[in-house]
Amino acid sequence: QKEVEQNSGPLSVPEGAIASLNCTYSDRGSQSFFWYRQYSGKSPELIMFIYSNGDKEDGRFTAQLNKASQYVSLLIRDSQPSDSATYLCAVKPQEYSTLTFGKGTMLLVSP
Amino acid sequence: EAQVTQNPRYLITVTGKKLTVTCSQNMNHEYMSWYRQDPGLGLRQIYYSMNVEVTDKGDVPEGYKVSRKEKRNFPLILESPSPNQTSLYFCASSLYSGGAGNEQFFGPGTRLTVL
Repeated sequence: QKEVEQNSGPLSVPEGAIASLNCTYSDRGSQSFFWYRQYSGKSPELIMFIYSNGDKEDGRFTAQLNKASQYVSLLIRDSQPSDSATYLCAVKPQEYSTLTFGKGTMLLVSP
Repeated sequence: EAQVTQNPRYLITVTGKKLTVTCSQNMNHEYMSWYRQDPGLGLRQIYYSMNVEVTDKGDVPEGYKVSRKEKRNFPLILESPSPNQTSLYFCASSLYSGGAGNEQFFGPGTRLTVL
């Protein structure tokens, strides 16, 4: 059974702080990892993806992947109130397979 | 504008009355998928399609049907809706199912209530 685990939160951080969101997955052979942001009542939108061990940076966002530990994280630097949303981790277990989503972590950034 | 559209956006219906939720994408994507999202359960895949006339079950297919007669359209059919199908439904598409970093684009969602 493919599993993707996230802490449901809410994770509360003050404006300007670094928010750290974590995700673990069960399938050791998983290929690709995605972070989506979802505002309440809206559809998920892709923030970034990663498929190699290490860090990948895009603006204020950094994804970190450690395949040995089956762990992927998303760091949001200089958090803004507009970052308040639910963040979904999604994993593609094999190259030609569908995505498995975690249940999401709610992030609250207070002014 | 590249997009995934769903109709209707909101629907209240009664148990047993057949309904169809349409999904259309204008990006020439091969892969399309339906998800439902429920509080505490996250996004769960209902059905997906790798290409025209190729569909397969996801994690929660019971009570749903799909078809993929054209590349751009992937309707979700509830033959006899029941209250446990009350949910927020999302259609998504991506260029292919394979390949690293193959982004899925989501439609705006359909909120369905079955009384």
